[in-house]
Amino acid sequence: QVQLVQSGAEVKKPGASVKVSCKASGYSFTGYYMHWVRQAPGQRLEWMGWINPNSGDTNYAQKSQGRVTMTRDKSIRTVYMELSRLKSDDTAVYYCARDLGWEGTAYYYGMDVWGQGTTVTVSS
Amino acid sequence: EIVLTQSPGTLSLSPGERATLSCRASQSVSSNYLAWYQQKLGQAPRLLIYGASSRATGVPDRFSGSGSGTDFTLTISRLEPEDFAVYYCQQYGSSFGQGTRLEI
Repeated sequence: QVQLVQSGAEVKKPGASVKVSCKASGYSFTGYYMHWVRQAPGQRLEWMGWINPNSGDTNYAQKSQGRVTMTRDKSIRTVYMELSRLKSDDTAVYYCARDLGWEGTAYYYGMDVWGQGTTVTVSS
Repeated sequence: EIVLTQSPGTLSLSPGERATLSCRASQSVSSNYLAWYQQKLGQAPRLLIYGASSRATGVPDRFSGSGSGTDFTLTISRLEPEDFAVYYCQQYGSSFGQGTRLEI
């Protein structure tokens, strides 16, 4: 079945970096964009950006630009999200989510399969 | 950046009742890009509606989406106990609304 499995919880100090992984299975890894979305405690969802696993092209939300880097390793069907210069308000659950993508000749816009989430805590 | 504002913030209803949730955009949004998600406590979001009105795979037909331009609506025709959750609208590749909490 289609599945996204994320890496485990992280605790980091302010100023450090964190790299979260998301391993895909059950579908064509290079056929669907992958998004990253985060949610701080008690807050709304926040879209961070997407990566095209085929080309490696990325599109980051304006707020994320300069601190976020999304990469992929096609050989192990895994995408990564690295966030640098961490601050306390980066404390959140980070999700990867697969794009709906193409069905036949039509493109559909949404995120239909989600990872289980990775808790990142930034604390001194 | 387009801002999505959802109302009401909290909606208190009983099983069997009809729920109407609103999502208003600060500028016109293509219907193709408007999606609705359901999130239960401690869980990842679940895609309900994409393209403003298309149900995602496996979503019961009591869920429906409508709207265009700046005003979009998610309707749940007859609430089931499992429908009590937080609902978010999103413009694809951009921001989410602040959510509507649907409570019993």
